[in-house]
Amino acid sequence: SQQGEEDPQALSIQEGENATMNCSYKTSINNLQWYRQNSGRGLVHLILIRSNEREKHSGRLRVTLDTSKKSSSLLITASRAADTASYFCAKETSGSRLTFGEGTQLTVNP
Amino acid sequence: GAVVSQHPSRVICKSGTSVKIECRSLDFQATTMFWYRQFPKQSLMLMATSNEGSKATYEQGVEKDKFLINHASLTLSTLTVTSAHPEDSSFYICSARGGYSGSVSTDTQYFGPGTRLTVL
Repeated sequence: SQQGEEDPQALSIQEGENATMNCSYKTSINNLQWYRQNSGRGLVHLILIRSNEREKHSGRLRVTLDTSKKSSSLLITASRAADTASYFCAKETSGSRLTFGEGTQLTVNP
Repeated sequence: GAVVSQHPSRVICKSGTSVKIECRSLDFQATTMFWYRQFPKQSLMLMATSNEGSKATYEQGVEKDKFLINHASLTLSTLTVTSAHPEDSSFYICSARGGYSGSVSTDTQYFGPGTRLTVL
């Protein structure tokens, strides 16, 4: 089965609230990456976290990685309507291959 | 930096014809390019990995004779869908990974904007 489950599948919040998305995986990884995709568009790279890192920040984004639980989370603080998109985690394994999770559809209501 | 383009962005073709999609890294050299397909409201599925100057490595279940990949240079890879059928209709996305340091991360895959293929 596809490596990496994401939850929730869909998340609807109000502007200003925080959004948390989770991602789990099954086998060893080199790193884990989070991407954003607006409907019908390409993917935008958000954050890469290596297997020996536990937390990374980028602006309003915070990513954590727990290798003992094989899970990662993406937190978007002070959300905006423009954050509405699908968010995917992708696990990099051998050969630089990325395996994508099912994604979380985030809707931020103004 | 790290811009990847795809052409065309959208193509409609008749069943049985072949369609070529180009993927270019505009401001960096990509030693490896990847091709994905995405069905509506679903995740991306890796189809194949191509390294410049060598044959592509296809994922299990992907027909290499149907999806021809050529990575002729460090900035260009092409995917040709041969004898396309309606079930090949999908969103095809490429990504490129740089082999050189600088402003472009060598760990990151940079994605193109995608090509929507509709086969009638």
